[in-house]
Amino acid sequence: SQQGEEDPQALSIQEGENATMNCSYKTSINNLQWYRQNSGRGLVHLILIRSNEREKHSGRLRVTLDTSKKSSSLLITASRAADTASYFCATQSSNRDDKIIFGKGTRLHILP
Amino acid sequence: EPEVTQTPSHQVTQMGQEVILRCVPISNHLYFYWYRQILGQKVEFLVSFYNNEISEKSEIFDDQFSVERPDGSNFTLKIRSTKLEDSAMYFCASSEAGGDGYTFGSGTRLTVV
Repeated sequence: SQQGEEDPQALSIQEGENATMNCSYKTSINNLQWYRQNSGRGLVHLILIRSNEREKHSGRLRVTLDTSKKSSSLLITASRAADTASYFCATQSSNRDDKIIFGKGTRLHILP
Repeated sequence: EPEVTQTPSHQVTQMGQEVILRCVPISNHLYFYWYRQILGQKVEFLVSFYNNEISEKSEIFDDQFSVERPDGSNFTLKIRSTKLEDSAMYFCASSEAGGDGYTFGSGTRLTVV
């Protein structure tokens, strides 16, 4: 299976701190994506990183990709209460395969 | 910002009944998907649809499931005879290019009783 597996499963940090979530996968990929899901709500696409990229930034988000280790990390800097959500990585295996496969997610809780 | 719209937001149905979940993808997107998420579990791929046909389906997507794009805007998921284990949140998604960042709808929570 190519599915991503995030760790930790749950993370609680103080507001203002940085949050780091990791994702590992098993097979080669075309791209890796991160999504956010607020409790009981829909999935919001955060950022996509392609297999030939090593790092990408979007606002307070920084994503890294290490294809040799088959892993990615999502860093949220200066966390806010509104960042409380579940975060999922999802991988696309090849550009001939248009589906993406999700990991189990990390539940992030920002403490006031 | 363009959105994927799903209706209804919540549906309760009797076991054995047929349900149709509706989605309006983003108008210039060509790839359409259904995913589901059983409560507390991960998001699972059901089916992808491109050029008016299924391009891929998962093992979950058995003969009880079907998809249709009846007109230029709607994309539907039909479950012919619902089971208790079909209770889940069903997400529709679309993308401009297959496998690139998806836009997901807010989901339909299906409860089978």
